[in-house]
Amino acid sequence: KQEVTQIPAALSVPEGENLVLNCSFTDSAIYNLQWFRQDPGKGLTSLLLIQSSQREQTSGRLNASLDKSSGRSTLYIAASQPGDSATYLCAVRPNYGGATNKLIFGTGTLLAVQP
Amino acid sequence: GAVVSQHPSWVICKSGTSVKIECRSLDFQATTMFWYRQFPKQSLMLMATSNEGSKATYEQGVEKDKFLINHASLTLSTLTVTSAHPEDSSFYICSAPGTGNWATNEKLFFGSGTQLSVL
Repeated sequence: KQEVTQIPAALSVPEGENLVLNCSFTDSAIYNLQWFRQDPGKGLTSLLLIQSSQREQTSGRLNASLDKSSGRSTLYIAASQPGDSATYLCAVRPNYGGATNKLIFGTGTLLAVQP
Repeated sequence: GAVVSQHPSWVICKSGTSVKIECRSLDFQATTMFWYRQFPKQSLMLMATSNEGSKATYEQGVEKDKFLINHASLTLSTLTVTSAHPEDSSFYICSAPGTGNWATNEKLFFGSGTQLSVL
């Protein structure tokens, strides 16, 4: 059974600091991995998606890496801003002999960036 | 991008009443809709998958008679929590894969979620 864990559960940093969020998964049979941002009352926003054959993806100040063999992904946020404050979720899409649309989510990291 | 409109955002109800949550796909046809539930400080967990014109598929441990899903049209899926109890208080969110111009084998489009509080 695939399990996704995120560490830390909460993180508070001063504005401008670079930070790393961690995600680990127990089953390497994944189709892809996604990082989402969850704002209160506003659902989920997809940030980055990494295919199982890829090592990393970048978008602006965000960089996500994937090490499928070790079951780990990191989300790097450069020069953090107060507007980055949110809950960050990672989710894996299992590959059970073919891709499924089912996503398995981690518990999230609550990020607070202090001005 | 494609939008999934979810209503209501918040609902407070008395124990024993039923609550309906709607998810509408805008700009595309949602042939499939995924319904998730998130309890405080826990992961989003898939409850069920609905397909337009057929019965929904429920995940293990989810009571199909309690969580009624209707997907009668290509743009609307509803989740009804019947005889709600305080333990059903949770954040419910829907998502759909894009179709047509928004077809992608990768991303799902999410609704904004519904926070249900049962007193």
